[in-house]
Amino acid sequence: NAGVTQTPKFRILKIGQSMTLQCAQDMNHNYMYWYRQDPGMGLKLIYYSVGAGITDKGEVPNGYNVSRSTTEDFPLRLELAAPSQTSVYFCAALRGRSVTEAFFGQGTRLTVV
Amino acid sequence: DAKTTQPNSMESNEEEPVHLPCNHSTISGTDYIHWYRQLPSQGPEYVIHGLTSNVNNRMASLAIAEDRKSSTLILHRATLRDAAVYYCILRGDSGAGSYQLTFGKGTKLSVIP
Repeated sequence: NAGVTQTPKFRILKIGQSMTLQCAQDMNHNYMYWYRQDPGMGLKLIYYSVGAGITDKGEVPNGYNVSRSTTEDFPLRLELAAPSQTSVYFCAALRGRSVTEAFFGQGTRLTVV
Repeated sequence: DAKTTQPNSMESNEEEPVHLPCNHSTISGTDYIHWYRQLPSQGPEYVIHGLTSNVNNRMASLAIAEDRKSSTLILHRATLRDAAVYYCILRGDSGAGSYQLTFGKGTKLSVIP
């Protein structure tokens, strides 16, 4: 049982480049989330999705885009990378409205130079 | 969103009990109290949750104040592997609150050998 899988684990981007951070879950969970975590700080919500075809902004959405075409996948797109987007990105999945636990991926460490 | 307040950091000696406090004075009647922890270089992982009664599981115990305005996560015998950032968050049981997954700064627990 893989849970939540994020790829890649590490990436270095040049300013202005684009990339997609992949997140896949095999638990058939409805809710999925993207967070970023800067050094020594807590997690900040970027985007979340309550189901396929439905996404919404979190606390820090600027510079990012998401899509949710299937229950399993929730990719995060950076269109024009900036040094301020250097961070560790975590994806999470949650089953539904009942009180259940969230499962997190191992993170993607992104450096923009 | 109901907010939580935690100390920034705590220290504990190895093999001693640890009590991690969390204040949530604006908690609503249907908010569940969840605890997660984040080990170094990993994504957060679920620890425990509760509503009104104290809860125990293999990882920890959760003590909830009678007025529910505060709670305490109890690690009965701290080990070096328990060194992590511990997050206390509130989640509603229905509506938007049920899928809100908002993290504060948490408490960084250091365990001294």
